[in-house]
Amino acid sequence: DTAVSQTPKYLVTQMGNDKSIKCEQNLGHDTMYWYKQDSKKFLKIMFSYNNKELIINETVPNRFSPKSPDKAHLNLHINSLELGDSAVYFCASSLDVENTEAFFGQGTRLTVV
Amino acid sequence: AQSVTQLGSHVSVSEGALVLLRCNYSSSVPPYLFWYVQYPNQGLQLLLKYTTGATLVKGINGFEAEFKKSETSFHLTKPSAHMSDAAEYFCAVSESGGSYIPTFGRGTSLIVHP
Repeated sequence: DTAVSQTPKYLVTQMGNDKSIKCEQNLGHDTMYWYKQDSKKFLKIMFSYNNKELIINETVPNRFSPKSPDKAHLNLHINSLELGDSAVYFCASSLDVENTEAFFGQGTRLTVV
Repeated sequence: AQSVTQLGSHVSVSEGALVLLRCNYSSSVPPYLFWYVQYPNQGLQLLLKYTTGATLVKGINGFEAEFKKSETSFHLTKPSAHMSDAAEYFCAVSESGGSYIPTFGRGTSLIVHP
């Protein structure tokens, strides 16, 4: 069983479209994250949720909206996609906000054309 | 605020040689420190972590790292490189009781020559 799973693995879409990436963890963790990895491999935190509540919202355009229907799921919706949104997006989870050993999904490679 | 600096975006070694990947951190409170490995087209996988206790920590695949508070360092080593070690390595820090969100360094690409 995959601990942290993301879908889709690849996503190619046109500028201006709206898309969603789904993430699920079966580890029973309380805390989940979205990271963006750019073409130079730099990992930047975007959002963090703890028990379905948003706790961190870094400087991310309003076009990005996370949603956590329950603590096992953290989805990312992106409106009006731009070329600069092309990146690999990683979902991760940790036991809680104090135990921050992160378990990562396989990533979603988003390409905006 | 916490931050991580990884010296050298690329490190090249011969198979069988010592691997040394450098990581320095900045933290206003006692840090939690991590090393992750990323193979091509995959997510990050934890190699090892330091939270409290023994400053020399051993991880998977023969890697180890030593927390040196006086030097604010957490360098990753492996005595003998294997071809399968070629990957991207990330050092990360989170602050116990502080900004607990893990902050990652920019990564070091390890190249292993036969």
